[in-house]
Amino acid sequence: DADVTQTPRNRITKTGKRIMLECSQTKGHDRMYWYRQDPGLGLRLIYYSFDVKDINKGEISDGYSVSRQAQAKFSLSLESAIPNQTALYFCATSDPGTRSSYNEQFFGPGTRLTVL
Amino acid sequence: GENVEQHPSTLSVQEGDSAVIKCTYSDSASNYFPWYKQELGKRPQLIIDIRSNVGEKKDQRIAVTLNKTAKHFSLHITETQPEDSAVYFCAATPSGSARQLTFGSGTQLTVLP
Repeated sequence: DADVTQTPRNRITKTGKRIMLECSQTKGHDRMYWYRQDPGLGLRLIYYSFDVKDINKGEISDGYSVSRQAQAKFSLSLESAIPNQTALYFCATSDPGTRSSYNEQFFGPGTRLTVL
Repeated sequence: GENVEQHPSTLSVQEGDSAVIKCTYSDSASNYFPWYKQELGKRPQLIIDIRSNVGEKKDQRIAVTLNKTAKHFSLHITETQPEDSAVYFCAATPSGSARQLTFGSGTQLTVLP
């Protein structure tokens, strides 16, 4: 089945380290997103990309950067991790042009990141 | 930008009872309102959605209602079952080409046996 995958699934790191979270999809979707989930705050958009040459900041982009290496790959980097970036990170994809649901987003399994 | 508020943050109901979760949005241009369900340790998944040209939509035991004038929409789950226990997120998106979703803060629904 076409899917969205994320690596790693869990990561513990130290303050100041550079971290990359990777997302791959076999759905053939053009649009990809990175969210972080914190208890009581829901899902907040970090960055999104509508195609390989398009990168856009979301609600909480400070401290993060992204790279869209191909249609199927979208990576999130923390250049210098800090403890308040400890969260559950989700990648998602969508393709409004082909689905009956207006803008259904398909989420990956998540990466739990802990910054000590 | 869009702001979505969701209430309550936690909800406990007896099995077989109904559950209602409410959301309000700020951008009158928003025209698409999905609901996602996230089971413990799992990824969020779309369960139902509604567009602004529709007032209500049903799918078996779940339904969503939309009041555009008041800028609020609600999720209704009838005859709740233990497998309905999860976190539910509402979301909204404005019209236009940049269709990113703004999510509410989530509701933890617990269905008590």
